[in-house]
Amino acid sequence: DAKTTQPNSMESNEEEPVHLPCNHSTISGTDYIHWYRQLPSQGPEYVIHGLTSNVNNRMASLAIAEDRKSSTLILHRATLRDAAVYYCNPPSGGGADGLTFGKGTHLIIQP
Amino acid sequence: EPEVTQTPSHQVTQMGQEVILRCVPISNHLYFYWYRQILGQKVEFLVSFYNNEISEKSEIFDDQFSVERPDGSNFTLKIRSTKLEDSAMYFCASRLDGYEQYFGPGTRLTVT
Repeated sequence: DAKTTQPNSMESNEEEPVHLPCNHSTISGTDYIHWYRQLPSQGPEYVIHGLTSNVNNRMASLAIAEDRKSSTLILHRATLRDAAVYYCNPPSGGGADGLTFGKGTHLIIQP
Repeated sequence: EPEVTQTPSHQVTQMGQEVILRCVPISNHLYFYWYRQILGQKVEFLVSFYNNEISEKSEIFDDQFSVERPDGSNFTLKIRSTKLEDSAMYFCASRLDGYEQYFGPGTRLTVT
């Protein structure tokens, strides 16, 4: 299984950009990189995914390293509502469909 | 915006009893999932379901667990004889054909 490494927690100020790193050095060449988040007392929520190129959507941007061994989720202007646990979870590969959640990064936003 | 719904929000049951957790996935979605999260721990994959059969299951999903899509809208998880260690939040998720899985709000199961 692909293993991911994320910082346990990060802190940022409201309305500032946040860069959340993830190492996934054993990812296979065909696995997409997904990011989900879990707000307090809620189910996980899809944020973004990508394969090789950087990706943008209305929630965030995803920067993928050229060797695909790491990626960074970028929240351009964090709000208090972005306080959550962020999970970087490449699937385990081999056609497996279930998401593999690690411990994630607990993002704290200060007003 | 369409969303996954789950009922009940909280279920309390006695050890050894059967429970059925219910989910209504997003209506045109094709792939369905159950996950669980024991308090303070990681979200764990249990099972995925496609075309009326299980497509993948984890080691957690043993003979005590079963899933069913009894009609065109519901997706259920049954635990045959609950144990104390089954106490957790259970999340249902669904997916159309892209990569995004959409999760429900969860059912908190408490086994006493």
